[in-house]
Amino acid sequence: DVKVTQSSRYLVKRTGEKVFLECVQDMDHENMFWYRQDPGLGLRLIYFSYDVKMKEKGDIPEGYSVSREKKERFSLILESASTNQTSMYLCASSFLRTFFGQGTRLTVV
Amino acid sequence: DAKTTQPPSMDCAEGRAANLPCNHSTISGNEYVYWYRQIHSQGPQYIIHGLKNNETNEMASLIITEDRKSSTLILPHATLRDTAVYYCIVSQNSGGSNYKLTFGKGTLLTVNP
Repeated sequence: DVKVTQSSRYLVKRTGEKVFLECVQDMDHENMFWYRQDPGLGLRLIYFSYDVKMKEKGDIPEGYSVSREKKERFSLILESASTNQTSMYLCASSFLRTFFGQGTRLTVV
Repeated sequence: DAKTTQPPSMDCAEGRAANLPCNHSTISGNEYVYWYRQIHSQGPQYIIHGLKNNETNEMASLIITEDRKSSTLILPHATLRDTAVYYCIVSQNSGGSNYKLTFGKGTLLTVNP
């Protein structure tokens, strides 16, 4: 079975902290994605990557950066966490169809 | 990417067929129709996709109109576990810098006992 694994299911961080959300896929997919999901706003694309070391901004990249040093791993970085980044974060990888991780519910206090 | 229009919510009786419509009138020739669903507190799950022809798998059937401007996802015998938000998305098929899924608000399908 296909697996997209996010490092944490729940995370609580303080305002101003640097936060790393890690995602690993075991399918050798080239395309990987980070979304956030908020009530009433649906899933919004933050960043995506179509190859190692390649990244593209999605619809809401402000306040985030990403890293793709290895094909199987795609990291989302909050350089200085703020309360408006409290959200559910979903990682995905894709070839023909897209597979999602279970999500990380991040709370910034 | 082309945009889609779906009803915000639908109800279905358990054991009956659920027919979820989607309009995508601006779809271009190289774009596929994808359906995903999201059960509460889980990541979205792939259901089915198609280009022009109708498709069927173990989960559902996808009917695409001849002009490709609309489609219908059919769950033949809905169960309570099919209660979820269903997303219809149009996108180029995988690979490369142009491939990404843009989610709309979807349809909340509630299957009632």
